[in-house]
Amino acid sequence: KQEVTQIPAALSVPEGENLVLNCSFTDSAIYNLQWFRQDPGKGLTSLLLIQSSQREQTSGRLNASLDKSSGRSTLYIAASQPGDSATYLCAVGGTYNFNKFYFGSGTKLNVKP
Amino acid sequence: GAVVSQHPSRVICKSGTSVKIECRSLDFQATTMFWYRQFPKQSLMLMATSNEGSKATYEQGVEKDKFLINHASLTLSTLTVTSAHPEDSSFYICSARELREAGANVLTFGAGSRLTVL
Repeated sequence: KQEVTQIPAALSVPEGENLVLNCSFTDSAIYNLQWFRQDPGKGLTSLLLIQSSQREQTSGRLNASLDKSSGRSTLYIAASQPGDSATYLCAVGGTYNFNKFYFGSGTKLNVKP
Repeated sequence: GAVVSQHPSRVICKSGTSVKIECRSLDFQATTMFWYRQFPKQSLMLMATSNEGSKATYEQGVEKDKFLINHASLTLSTLTVTSAHPEDSSFYICSARELREAGANVLTFGAGSRLTVL
């Protein structure tokens, strides 16, 4: 069974810092990987999707990388802002026919003004 | 972009009653939808996979008779919590799998439903 781990569990940084969130998974046979943001009491918002054949994806100040062979993905946030404060979740998608997505426990980010 | 609507966003009910939560894909057809449960400060736990026109596939430990799932159309799946008890209080989130070009397998999530059972 796929296990997804996110480190650190919580992170507090001053505004303006660049930061890296980590996601690791045990089974490298993945179809894709998604990074999500969750605000308190809210649903999930998709940030970036990386297919298994890709190495990275970028959207604005966000950059996600994928190293399938080592079972790792990172989410890089540049020039962090207080509005970035949220919990960030990564989810690993199984093979096309498997349909399952496995979530990490998340990293709770607090960006201080 | 793809939108998944979940309703109601909040529901409070008395113990013993049943509660239905709807999940709709608004601008795409979803042959597969997923129901998750999230406990406070924890990640999402997959409860079941809902397939249009067939029975849902439940994860180990999830009671089929307690959490009834119906996926009657390509845009609607419902989760009914039957005879709800306080321990069923939780945040329930649905997601729909969207097949994009080149077989991309993308999950779009609803905003979630907060169930409180008194």
